[in-house]
Amino acid sequence: ETGVTQTPRHLVMGMTNKKSLKCEQHLGHNAMYWYKQSAKKPLELMFVYNFKEQTENNSVPSRFSPECPNSSHLFLHLHTLQPEDSALYLCASSQGTGYTEAFFGQGTRLTVV
Amino acid sequence: DAKTTQPNSMESNEEEPVHLPCNHSTISGTDYIHWYRQLPSQGPEYVIHGLTSNVNNRMASLAIAEDRKSSTLILHRATLRDAAVYYCILNRNSGGGADGLTFGKGTHLIIQP
Repeated sequence: ETGVTQTPRHLVMGMTNKKSLKCEQHLGHNAMYWYKQSAKKPLELMFVYNFKEQTENNSVPSRFSPECPNSSHLFLHLHTLQPEDSALYLCASSQGTGYTEAFFGQGTRLTVV
Repeated sequence: DAKTTQPNSMESNEEEPVHLPCNHSTISGTDYIHWYRQLPSQGPEYVIHGLTSNVNNRMASLAIAEDRKSSTLILHRATLRDAAVYYCILNRNSGGGADGLTFGKGTHLIIQP
């Protein structure tokens, strides 16, 4: 248990569906992140939020839409995804400095059919 | 961003020490050296980090070269539960900003019973 909780753990969705991934942390961290891990590839940073403001969008397609209503919650809204978007989506949080560690959730395993 | 170089895989025997090397020849003065590991089907887990001096914690030790261009993660007595992908990451301390972590392919550590 890392203190970062992601739901759901598994999700199967059709290409025309709309779904949302949820991430929650109660560690008092000010920064939250979305990462994507495709099969046989390194983790890729998608979005960074610092004090609820988006500070980085790593050239992510608009079919992925993040939302950070407060410092404890982060969402990733999904719509009209493609099969190649199937991956493990990981949320993390940290104090946002180079000398503090990040805590990761268990991830959501997404399958697009 | 400064990059790190790690061997693709390493093998060790249970209950023996393991030394995982990492080269980061373009490291800057504000980069902290972080190590994370990822067990199968789980999110990454923080292991240890340091700036200039060697560091010890309950999980591992981190030995940092005097010129900071390389480091070594030391698992003192490997167990089967230490089998994972180990990532060496440079995390810049950018004065309060949250940059996210840049993952490479890491080292796949195999532990033989």
